Amino acid sequence: GAGVSQSPSNKVTEKGKDVELRCDPISGHTALYWYRQSLGQGLEFLIYFQGNSAPDKSGLPSDRFSAERTGGSVSTLTIQRTQQEDSAVYLCASSLLGTGWDTGELFFGEGSRLTVL
Amino acid sequence: RKEVEQDPGPFNVPEGATVAFNCTYSNSASQSFFWYRQDCRKEPKLLMSVYSSGNEDGRFTAQLNRASQYISLLIRDSKLSDSATYLCVVSPLRYIFGTGTRLKVLA
Repeated sequence: GAGVSQSPSNKVTEKGKDVELRCDPISGHTALYWYRQSLGQGLEFLIYFQGNSAPDKSGLPSDRFSAERTGGSVSTLTIQRTQQEDSAVYLCASSLLGTGWDTGELFFGEGSRLTVL
Repeated sequence: RKEVEQDPGPFNVPEGATVAFNCTYSNSASQSFFWYRQDCRKEPKLLMSVYSSGNEDGRFTAQLNRASQYISLLIRDSKLSDSATYLCVVSPLRYIFGTGTRLKVLA
């Protein structure tokens, strides 16, 4: 497809289980971002990949969170030993060029809604 | 202090009204500024970039004040379809989103 694709769109899991969320960015986009958004809240930055550079992981809330981007394309966000406070919508976005370039436009996927029971 | 701050609203305005939102940021090294729009339960989408000289796109006008570290968005002749949350985005090293200002345009 032409846009950013995320899967699953909805995930319900039990506390303590691991989850993997997938993001397929727009083809050719070098930059990929993960954010999360809790109900009624703003977007919280998690991690940023730019080309072959080391990712900016400064937003990951704990060591239970990790992400990788294989081949400069698809990214997977993994949450280990999920907690109830991890419940949120996880949004992935890509842009043609990374931060520092005045492109401005982040293209977002529709998000993965995670509910931890 | 949050890196990017916005009044959460909601702003309830009648159709045809003019409404303005402000957003303040803390990092003086910020170089890029944007307004995004987010409809309920949807992903954010770029509304407009904000340039130093100010810029206009139809009914929407964005301004940047570097000295006071704020950006603004003015919407003229509000339409029902403008009802959404407006997110201020600032980019020093990465895109930082404000929590958003909710606008509801009433018939």
